[in-house]
Amino acid sequence: QVQLQQWGAGLLKPSETLSLTCAVYGGSFSGYYRSWIRQPPGRGLEWIGDIDHTGSTNYNPSLKSRVVISVDTSKKQFSLNLTSVTAADTAVYYCARGLSTSYWGQGTLVTVSS
Amino acid sequence: QLVLTQSPSASASLGASVKLTCTLSSGHSRYAVAWLQQQPEKGPRYLMQVNSDGSHTKGDGIPDRFSGSSSGAERYLTISSLQSEDEADYYCQTWGPDIRVFGGGTKLTVL
Repeated sequence: QVQLQQWGAGLLKPSETLSLTCAVYGGSFSGYYRSWIRQPPGRGLEWIGDIDHTGSTNYNPSLKSRVVISVDTSKKQFSLNLTSVTAADTAVYYCARGLSTSYWGQGTLVTVSS
Repeated sequence: QLVLTQSPSASASLGASVKLTCTLSSGHSRYAVAWLQQQPEKGPRYLMQVNSDGSHTKGDGIPDRFSGSSSGAERYLTISSLQSEDEADYYCQTWGPDIRVFGGGTKLTVL
């Protein structure tokens, strides 16, 4: 059974860097896109970006200048870095596997506040 | 531009059926979509992928009450024998060469 477990800091100050990591347990790791998605409080889902099995990345154009997604295949983990955060980046952040997001992490609430 | 359109809300009675619609933008009618369920205070859960030919692939443990279909640029999620726990937000999602898109979601109320 595939499970995704994610972790990272939940409280940031404006201008700091958001860093989250997601570990994949079970199933294939390299054969799928690995995605990050977020959901601001009371709002819908927003795609942040993903990384494929070659390490090639795709990012939401609205976030592209501040986002880096990386992968550590040996640990079956992938990570999200989002720089220069503001209050508008406050959201629950999710990792997911596959283009169709068939498996999801449990979510991490990240709050940006001074 | 790849866009998914969903009605903001829907409602149906306990035990009845409901059909939710997700519409692909012009020029993208052959794209597959994934349907996700998000119950209150929970994370999203993958329900199924629906292809342009109407075939669908369900996620682990998704009951037979959930089915998918397709017509033109529309992708459907049908839930039969509605139960109280089906009250949730339902999102569709699709993917292009360099872009992934979510619909705005439909809030389903079970009466």
